[in-house]
Formats: sequence, structure tokens, C-alpha cells
Amino acid sequence: GNSVTQMEGPVTLSEEAFLTINCTYTATGYPSLFWYVQYPGEGLQLLLKATKADDKGSNKGFEATYRKETTSFHLEKGSVQVSDSAVYFCALRSAGGGNKLTFGTGTQLKVEL
Amino acid sequence: GAVVSQHPSWVICKSGTSVKIECRSLDFQATTMFWYRQFPKQSLMLMATSNEGSKATYEQGVEKDKFLINHASLTLSTLTVTSAHPEDSSFYICSATGQGALNTEAFFGQGTRLTVV
Repeated sequence: GNSVTQMEGPVTLSEEAFLTINCTYTATGYPSLFWYVQYPGEGLQLLLKATKADDKGSNKGFEATYRKETTSFHLEKGSVQVSDSAVYFCALRSAGGGNKLTFGTGTQLKVEL
Repeated sequence: GAVVSQHPSWVICKSGTSVKIECRSLDFQATTMFWYRQFPKQSLMLMATSNEGSKATYEQGVEKDKFLINHASLTLSTLTVTSAHPEDSSFYICSATGQGALNTEAFFGQGTRLTVV
């Protein structure tokens, strides 16, 4: 079956530091890949997505590249802010699987001044 | 963008009672809605998928008599936790997809924190 593996958190960074949150997946075919962000007490918001190999999703300074050869979709940001503190979920949607998503366990990010 | 609203945001109920959670698509027709459960410090686990006007499809291990899902209209789905017990305490989140361009991603509600005492 499908699965998503994320690095465990929490990740604590100073403001303006570089962020990487690793995500690898297992799926048949060519899934679509997503990063969602969950701020405290809120639901999930789509941060970025990529639908085919070598696509790069980007939004709000975050980016992730769909790497088929390494089955990865690592999230990066060059300079984090305190307002980026949240839980980040990597997810996949299998080809032909409708909109059913498989999520990773989430990685909590804390950004300090 | 497409907006999904859940109500209530949080609820506390006594053990043995039932609780209903609503999920509404505010500005689009939600042909499919999904219900997830999130345990503390864990990922979201899909509970069931519902299509408007038909019975929900439950994931393996989810008790359909315990978690009643109704998707009677294109803008509303409800999840009723029947005879709730403390182990049902969790964060429940719904998501919805529509037609055409609104079928390319799932739009999430803000979630409902259920505490059973």
C-alpha cells in the first residue's frame, strides 16, 4: 500500500535559518505529492504540490521537488520566520485514487527569535 | 479559493452521549467529502469517504455504527459519534472536493476537537 515517511520533530530553528523537512514515499505508479501546513488549533492548508516527476512546487518561500528516483519530496525554505511555526504534513494521492490522501506523521516546526 | 467550514470547533460531551459534527462547503458543491481523525502527535487517519446521496465508504477498522456519516446534500456532510467514550476523544477533520478544477485538490475544514469526559 501507499505510505509516507517524514522526519520526526520537533524541529527548532532560529529565525532566518534554512529549513529542510525530509519526506519519502512508497506508492505504485505516479502519485501526486503535497505539503500541508497546520497552524495551532486550525485545520490543514495546502502549502504546495507537485503532480509529476521533476516538478517543483513552491509557495510563500517554501519549495519541494518531486524526485521519482529517490521517491522523495523534501520541503525547503531558505529563511524561516517565527510565523512559519506550525506542523507540516507530507501527503500523497495515488494515481487513479480519487482525492484520498495518505499522510505522513507530521513534523512540528518551532521558529524562535 | 474553495472554503470548507466545520462546526463546532470544539465540543465536550459526557460519556454515552452522541455528538454531531458538521462539514459545509461554503462556496462550491462538494461531490465528495472525507473524514479524518487525528490523534495527538500523529498523522491524519482517513475514516471514511462519502459521496453526495450515497452511503459512505469506511476504511478498514472504522466502526460504521459508531461513526455515522451522512452526506445528504452537495454542501453538507455530518459525522455523528454515537455513544461516545473517552477513547473517542480526538481531533476530527473533514475535507471536500468538487468538480472540474475543484477536483484537483482537497479543501480542509478547520477541524473539531472532541473531548469525551
